[in-house]
Amino acid sequence: EPEVTQTPSHQVTQMGQEVILRCVPISNHLYFYWYRQILGQKVEFLVSFYNNEISEKSEIFDDQFSVERPDGSNFTLKIRSTKLEDSAMYFCASSEGARGHQPQHFGDGTRLSIL
Amino acid sequence: DQQVKQNSPSLSVQEGRISILNCDYTNSMFDYFLWYKKYPAEGPTFLISISSIKDKNEDGRFTVFLNKSAKHLSLHIVPSQPGDSAVYFCAASGVNTGNQFYFGTGTSLTVIP
Repeated sequence: EPEVTQTPSHQVTQMGQEVILRCVPISNHLYFYWYRQILGQKVEFLVSFYNNEISEKSEIFDDQFSVERPDGSNFTLKIRSTKLEDSAMYFCASSEGARGHQPQHFGDGTRLSIL
Repeated sequence: DQQVKQNSPSLSVQEGRISILNCDYTNSMFDYFLWYKKYPAEGPTFLISISSIKDKNEDGRFTVFLNKSAKHLSLHIVPSQPGDSAVYFCAASGVNTGNQFYFGTGTSLTVIP
């Protein structure tokens, strides 16, 4: 069964450094998402991406964050100047179509630890 | 922002019995609901969904019930198996939430052999 893959599985970064989290969505999916889950808290939406542009973003997704689809397969989340509170699990997801009753399929996540 | 709530952080059930996981929501515009299952060190795996035009959807051992008037949904697992032990998240989206899903905080299910 096709799956969403994320790399790396664990990223340790010094505070203030930039980090790029990578995702390969399911190949025939058109919509891509990033979510995060801070330890002990709920999964929170960050951003959705369609047709090479952001379609929605949450309040969490401020100027520190950016997303990109640099080629036909990868979808990346960049965090500039990381802060301690950015430590979380970051999940990438993709779906075939828009919200219209399409489940989102998640990768196994990248655990980001900011020191 | 607690639009989706799972008030039971954990649940233990004997193998073979029914597991009932509950979820409440506050946004009356939600019209699509999903259950995800999550094992440690893995991402959420889609389990079953229901749209607001239905009140029940069944897939094998899993059935989701939706009570729109009570803004409540539940997931029934019958019979429960030890491999069902995981964290279960409900998620919802609606016409006014675009492409994002709102997740509950999860219920950790333990099925005791």
